[in-house]
Amino acid sequence: DGGITQSPKYLFRKEGQNVTLSCEQNLNHDAMYWYRQDPGQGLRLIYYSQIVNDFQKGDIAEGYSVSREKKESFPLTVTSAQKNPTAFYLCASSMLAGVYEQYFGPGTRLTVT
Amino acid sequence: AQTVTQSQPEMSVQEAETVTLSCTYDTSESDYYLFWYKQPPSRQMILVIRQEAYKQQNATENRFSVNFQKAAKSFSLKISDSQLGDAAMYFCAYRSGQGTNAGKSTFGDGTTLTVKP
Repeated sequence: DGGITQSPKYLFRKEGQNVTLSCEQNLNHDAMYWYRQDPGQGLRLIYYSQIVNDFQKGDIAEGYSVSREKKESFPLTVTSAQKNPTAFYLCASSMLAGVYEQYFGPGTRLTVT
Repeated sequence: AQTVTQSQPEMSVQEAETVTLSCTYDTSESDYYLFWYKQPPSRQMILVIRQEAYKQQNATENRFSVNFQKAAKSFSLKISDSQLGDAAMYFCAYRSGQGTNAGKSTFGDGTTLTVKP
């Protein structure tokens, strides 16, 4: 059953701690993405990766880091430098070329107190 | 940089009626794709419809259709025969198709659609 998974669904951390959000896909997609969604707002691109071992900053990369060591995996680390980390985080994947849509995971709700 | 603007934060429609959601975008690229996604209360993003920029013909998917005006950089979504299950937040999205930006996506802020029985 092909799809994209994110874990955990809810995550709680203390301020000052780094936290890593998991994203895995078995769709053989080249591209993977991380978005942040704040209440009642749209999706803002944090990082995206077109190919293994390469990634580009999106519009709000400050305070976040990523890695793409495997095609299937694109973990996101929310560092202590991120000023307002509490948000809903969505991971997505897609084929890189052509009019292919992004497939989204179920999301991770991160709360930092 | 590309931008996507959805000027209607909220819209409502009577069940079985038709509603149009607006979207405009700004880009200097010639190769790109446009999408509408739906996000119901479950927050799972679902593709509604897609459009290649080089195709003049407007995309249609059952009750959903778009009005793509490339020169005006407009990409509106029409929902016909609205159903209660259409109630959701709708996002317009742009994806670059060329060069080093290939795959980079930009989303609008969304339009919350309410369907009244």
